[in-house]
Amino acid sequence: GEDVEQSLFLSVREGDSSVINCTYTDSSSTYLYWYKQEPGAGLQLLTYIFSNMDMKQDQRLTVLLNKKDKHLSLRIADTQTGDSAIYFCAEAIYNDMRFGAGTRLTVKP
Amino acid sequence: KAGVTQTPRYLIKTRGQQVTLSCSPISGHRSVSWYQQTPGQGLQFLFEYFSETQRNKGNFPGRFSGRQFSNSRSEMNVSTLELGDSALYLCASSLAAGNTEAFFGQGTRLTVV
Repeated sequence: GEDVEQSLFLSVREGDSSVINCTYTDSSSTYLYWYKQEPGAGLQLLTYIFSNMDMKQDQRLTVLLNKKDKHLSLRIADTQTGDSAIYFCAEAIYNDMRFGAGTRLTVKP
Repeated sequence: KAGVTQTPRYLIKTRGQQVTLSCSPISGHRSVSWYQQTPGQGLQFLFEYFSETQRNKGNFPGRFSGRQFSNSRSEMNVSTLELGDSALYLCASSLAAGNTEAFFGQGTRLTVV
């Protein structure tokens, strides 16, 4: 299988933590990424993790990688209304890059 | 440092026409990749160019083509446009081939009528 899968929707309250999950199937992934896309805009690289790491933290963002289960997650602490967007996970395999369908995060005040 | 610039931002064409989209990568980046984003198919890889050579190609018909110039700027061309080609076309640049850290432009929204 070559699919990257994400749940399509997530809704949280402002101030809560958001956790967006992603599963991938190719164990030869070298890097795994999280991108954010706001309406009418391109993709903004949020963070990435090398496949031999299991955690990366960058301010409010925490990426967890479980290579055994091929599971990647993005945790956003203290979620704000400005975090409302579509979040894509992607895996890089040599010269190829595969994206999930995106998770639409809605933050309610 | 300027980001990835795509022109035009919006384009309306009729079926059967052809279209050329442009992408200027981040200064110093030599790899440019193109993606098509549609609601039904999500993000799909079109092709990647590095040092003026196409290194990788996705599963798209021959109507989709591209090229890269010596200054790393890239163009993609779609001939004999079909309604289904309506999409957001995204370009990503990275320092080297293989998309180790790709930065995206804002995209060109193409509407075929």
